[in-house]
Amino acid sequence: AQTVTQSQPEMSVQEAETVTLSCTYDTSESNYYLFWYKQPPSRQMILVIRQEAYKQQNATENRFSVNFQKAAKSFSLKISDSQLGDTAMYFCAFMNHNDMRFGAGTRLTVKP
Amino acid sequence: DTEVTQTPKHLVMGMTNKKSLKCEQHMGHRAMYWYKQKAKKPPELMFVYSYEKLSINESVPSRFSPECPNSSLLNLHLHALQPEDSALYLCASGLAESSGANVLTFGAGSRLTVL
Repeated sequence: AQTVTQSQPEMSVQEAETVTLSCTYDTSESNYYLFWYKQPPSRQMILVIRQEAYKQQNATENRFSVNFQKAAKSFSLKISDSQLGDTAMYFCAFMNHNDMRFGAGTRLTVKP
Repeated sequence: DTEVTQTPKHLVMGMTNKKSLKCEQHMGHRAMYWYKQKAKKPPELMFVYSYEKLSINESVPSRFSPECPNSSLLNLHLHALQPEDSALYLCASGLAESSGANVLTFGAGSRLTVL
């Protein structure tokens, strides 16, 4: 079974600065998808960014980018120019064969 | 329509009650999911339907009974629940595996309290 590990339970960052959230995973599969979702206090799970394992190029979405290291099974999220609205719980997720599993989450607080 | 709609938003039930949670999407997604989320924990996968057939059941107790009457609807029937079943229940939908990159779209959840 796939496992997803987020080793940072909580992080904080000053507004406008950059922060990186870590995620590692374990799988024997070669074809899979990786995601970062955020869950603000409103509890709605919102997709931040996704990465297909077969693509070597790191995904980017505006201020959000990933560092995908397939051999190391690492998938970190970088948030640039942090904004107060980025305050949320961030979950790393692994998906294969319609089966999506989440890491324990990192609670990110952006301070003014 | 790019939403997953869950009803009710809040549900309080006794241990002898029978109730249902409902989930609806009109994005043409053929995979639908139920997750259970306890406070300050990640969502835990319960069930996955693919093309209206149950494809994953994570050894969920039989007091939870899923149903997928058509490609747009997903129900979770609840009966004889325990207080520890109190949680946020999230529904999600996505493309079935063969259709490409599998992004899941989540509903806002149903907050269940079992007394």
